[in-house]
Amino acid sequence: DAKTTQPPSMDCAEGRAANLPCNHSTISGNEYVYWYRQIHSQGPQYIIHGLKNNETNEMASLIITEDRKSSTLILPHATLRDTAVYYCIVRVAFGNEKLTFGTGTRLTIIP
Amino acid sequence: NAGVTQTPKFQVLKTGQSMTLQCAQDMNHNSMYWYRQDPGMGLRLIYYSASEGTTDKGEVPNGYNVSRLNKREFSLRLESAAPSQTSVYFCASSWEGRGYTFGSGTRLTVV
Repeated sequence: DAKTTQPPSMDCAEGRAANLPCNHSTISGNEYVYWYRQIHSQGPQYIIHGLKNNETNEMASLIITEDRKSSTLILPHATLRDTAVYYCIVRVAFGNEKLTFGTGTRLTIIP
Repeated sequence: NAGVTQTPKFQVLKTGQSMTLQCAQDMNHNSMYWYRQDPGMGLRLIYYSASEGTTDKGEVPNGYNVSRLNKREFSLRLESAAPSQTSVYFCASSWEGRGYTFGSGTRLTVV
């Protein structure tokens, strides 16, 4: 699976959009981009995933660049409950199901 | 619908003792996983099971054994606990590349 690079930490004001970047310059054509988050010491929570098109669900939006070498997770209206560590992971969706976690981005929402 | 259930939630062991961490999922997922997370670090894969009856080593398998008892249950055993195995253990399950569902974790301390 391709490696990812994320900033170690970010701050965002409550109510603003939080934009979390991820670089995955060695991503292969059949690898998806997944985002998870871990609030305090709970188990990680799935947020969203995509292949090449932008994706949106009730939690977030995922913007993937046209060359697929980077992506951005957008939390449109951040709340204090969004304070967490966010992990960007790239992997083949089928046949190799193991998730490999890096150290992620620690997002702090500022009141 | 409970998702992924882990027991126990907390455990203190003496060096050399053995124990089994239990994990059960009620989502009919094929794949199950055991991760450990040390303070300030990302999750590392210990073992996984792509389907009932199969298990494979992950990144850090030494000192652990697993059993995929049936489709629902995947247990992790420490035969002779060591202080280096003090960690938070997470079980997860997934189906056909969909998002993983994690349990709430077992906090293990080996003294």
